[in-house]
Amino acid sequence: SYELTQPLSVSVALGQTARITCGGNNIGSKNVHWYQQKPGQAPVLVIYRDSNRPSGIPERFSGSNSGNTATLTISRAQAGDEADYYCQVWDSSTEVFGTGTKVTVL
Amino acid sequence: QVQLVQSGAEVKKPGASVKVSCKASGYIFTGYYMHWVRQAPGQGLEWMGWINPNSGGTNYAQKFQGRVIMTRDMSISTAYMELSRLRSDDTAVYYCARAVGTRSPYFDYWGQGTLVTVSS
Repeated sequence: SYELTQPLSVSVALGQTARITCGGNNIGSKNVHWYQQKPGQAPVLVIYRDSNRPSGIPERFSGSNSGNTATLTISRAQAGDEADYYCQVWDSSTEVFGTGTKVTVL
Repeated sequence: QVQLVQSGAEVKKPGASVKVSCKASGYIFTGYYMHWVRQAPGQGLEWMGWINPNSGGTNYAQKFQGRVIMTRDMSISTAYMELSRLRSDDTAVYYCARAVGTRSPYFDYWGQGTLVTVSS
């Protein structure tokens, strides 16, 4: 089965840039979606199809995907960006989620 | 506005079944597949399967085949997920999520989640 690997945690200074990776075999050939989840809340879509932002998501959130790694970038990080982030792909008629990354804003 | 409202928390004994509902509003219910995703305490997201509200067709993750049944009632725009032969490791928050697209879909709206606790 297809696996997606994310770092357990990422720390970023307030106002700086955080990059969250999502590794998978030839993931660049797939569409990658990203979700933000704050404690006690349902996930929220922040990036779809590699690099598209839903309405209401700040431009500070961006995505890229190539080779074996997809990346979610959070620019000018704010305290409100502290959350868990999950990548997601579709493989062989199955949805697969990444292992999740906890982002801490220092 | 699009809303997915789920049923309330449940406590079940091992071996029992649970049925969680997800009432959709603000869009055409039959126009989007509904997926179910669960999250055990302190763990990540786990996909369970989907239902096509239009046809009733389903696709379940291999892990849950034989134990999960997803259904819908078009008359009240509600999707259901029933999980049987519950075990303690089925304790989790269960989410419904509306899917955009059928190949490589993404989930643009989620229910608030339903906590299912399995305990003797």
